[in-house]
Amino acid sequence: QSVLTQPPSASGTPGQRVIISCSGSSSNVGINFLYWYHQLPGTAPKLVIYRDNERPSGVPDRFSGSRSGTSGSLAISGLLSEDEGDYYCAAWDDSLGGPVFGGGTKVTVL
Amino acid sequence: EVQLLESGGGLVRPGGSLRLSCATSGFTFGSHAMSWVRQAPGKGLEWVSDISDSGAVSNYADSVKGRFTISRDNSKNTVYLQMTGLRAEDTALYYCAKHMVDFWSGIEYWGQGTPVTVSS
Repeated sequence: QSVLTQPPSASGTPGQRVIISCSGSSSNVGINFLYWYHQLPGTAPKLVIYRDNERPSGVPDRFSGSRSGTSGSLAISGLLSEDEGDYYCAAWDDSLGGPVFGGGTKVTVL
Repeated sequence: EVQLLESGGGLVRPGGSLRLSCATSGFTFGSHAMSWVRQAPGKGLEWVSDISDSGAVSNYADSVKGRFTISRDNSKNTVYLQMTGLRAEDTALYYCAKHMVDFWSGIEYWGQGTPVTVSS
């Protein structure tokens, strides 16, 4: 049982917009930044959004993030086949003293 | 280029021990907190432990507290995870991860992982 809650799956056709939600609590998402990671099968996670809505160098502006209250979301616009994979949200948890993760959302491009 | 290279994983019997290492390069190691995060087969990510840039402060998930010890050698740009009292539920791919700066600044880079299998 993951501390942060994400939908298990999301899908869209090429060019569509997909939104993935992430729900937490007052000890994590409610007071700390959200981070988003993309993981392809057999590979390490890769950071795609940090501090709620910042994109690392090299991540296209098709990726955007937001946070409000104890929830946040990742939006992928102009969906491409290379966007398939698992997406995880994460936030520092003040009670735990470490980062907590969502259970992951599998994105499929139809 | 940031590189994180884990080693030390393998097959171990329940109750056994392993020491994981993560050799790093491409950044100022002593200026960043580091974490170990694991992923059981077919499952999601689970934070295991983190350590401050100086090594003075460390934190552990409840599931490993008292059994695992994180440490770092800033002269060797390496972080370690000493695992004792291993259980079947510790079976996972263990990732070494670099934080952006301190603990709460988020994980920026991940290594490729080293597999740990606990089985008799």
